[in-house]
Amino acid sequence: AAGVIQSPRHLIKEKRETATLKCYPIPRHDTVYWYQQGPGQDPQFLISFYEKMQSDKGSIPDRFSAQQFSDYHSELNMSSLELGDSALYFCASSRSTRDSYEQYFGPGTRLTVT
Amino acid sequence: SQKIEQNSEALNIQEGKTATLTCNYTNYSPAYLQWYRQDPGRGPVFLLLIRENEKEKRKERLKVTFDTTLKQSLFHITASQPADSATYLCAPPRCSSASKIIFGSGTRLSIRP
Repeated sequence: AAGVIQSPRHLIKEKRETATLKCYPIPRHDTVYWYQQGPGQDPQFLISFYEKMQSDKGSIPDRFSAQQFSDYHSELNMSSLELGDSALYFCASSRSTRDSYEQYFGPGTRLTVT
Repeated sequence: SQKIEQNSEALNIQEGKTATLTCNYTNYSPAYLQWYRQDPGRGPVFLLLIRENEKEKRKERLKVTFDTTLKQSLFHITASQPADSATYLCAPPRCSSASKIIFGSGTRLSIRP
């Protein structure tokens, strides 16, 4: 079965640079979520999109932005990178029904800021 | 604000025993609660969802209970195996019935042979 695809899997950037992370949800899933997970931390919700519209916002810094495109893939744009942005970034997708809330996570993008 | 607490950061269990993990929540009443498994460097994997009107849910060797009076969910793995070693995350919704979830800090379970 198709899973959530994330690219790139690894990314190394320098401070103050920009980065773009991509996420391709499972086909027919209408909701995409972005999470940030620092070393030894639980995943922190950043932002989500439902049917290409932002549906919820968590602890996403103002330096970050995201969008979902017409083909349902999503991109997380990160600018003015800081050392503290080094983390695993997960994308998850779900299909919104009244009885279904489980999220399916991608393999993650490991971002290292030097 | 909502608060999620998992009983311990790490739990070590002898193979074959039952592992029991605890998730406590405060300041709200979630309509459901999910449990995920996460292996190092990988994304969380959905295991089970239990709703507020369900006392217990089972899936193979896994069992989840939901006590809305105690504001607690218990996650059990029976006949534990070394392959069950992972971090287990409790994930209720961000507010009572929202589809967006928040994760507990997780319990790192180690099953020794």
